[in-house]
Amino acid sequence: NAGVTQTPKFRVLKTGQSMTLLCAQDMNHEYMYWYRQDPGMGLRLIHYSVGEGTTAKGEVPDGYNVSRLKKQNFLLGLESAAPSQTSVYFCASRLLGLATDTQYFGPGTRLTVL
Amino acid sequence: DAKTTQPPSMDCAEGRAANLPCNHSTISGNEYVYWYRQIHSQGPQYIIHGLKNNETNEMASLIITEDRKSSTLILPHATLRDTAVYYCIVRGDNAGNMLTFGGGTRLMVKP
Repeated sequence: NAGVTQTPKFRVLKTGQSMTLLCAQDMNHEYMYWYRQDPGMGLRLIHYSVGEGTTAKGEVPDGYNVSRLKKQNFLLGLESAAPSQTSVYFCASRLLGLATDTQYFGPGTRLTVL
Repeated sequence: DAKTTQPPSMDCAEGRAANLPCNHSTISGNEYVYWYRQIHSQGPQYIIHGLKNNETNEMASLIITEDRKSSTLILPHATLRDTAVYYCIVRGDNAGNMLTFGGGTRLMVKP
């Protein structure tokens, strides 16, 4: 049981390039989330998904797109990367929408946009 | 979701209890108090949560005041590995059941 995994761990992009971050979970969780964390700050929610084929915007969705084609995977895309998107990106998942369910986080992807 | 207030940093001696306070004076009746921690830029790790009663697990204890306006996370015997940023989060049954992270408390456990 690997939990929540993220690919890649590190990436450097040039302004205007595109990329996709992959999050995978093997816990059969319904809910998945993408957060970003800037230096010295707490995590901010980008997008989330409450099930396969459904996504919704979080607090800071601009410049990102997401897809949840399979229950176990949640993809975060940057179509045209900007230096302001330099951050650490964390994926998380949880079982159901109950208040007592906890989120499990991946190890993060460190993205630098030059 | 209710906003939380935490001190930005705290120190604790190794082996002593670490008591991390959190103020959530605008909490509503159906909102839970959650604690997560983040060790050196790793992904956040769940610690404990509660609604109104005090809770204890293998990691920590959570003390919630009777009026639910504040709470304290207690690490009974802090170790160097407990050095981390601790986040207090109040969350209700919102759409997507999102967690809203504030600045947290940076706990430094010293030998």
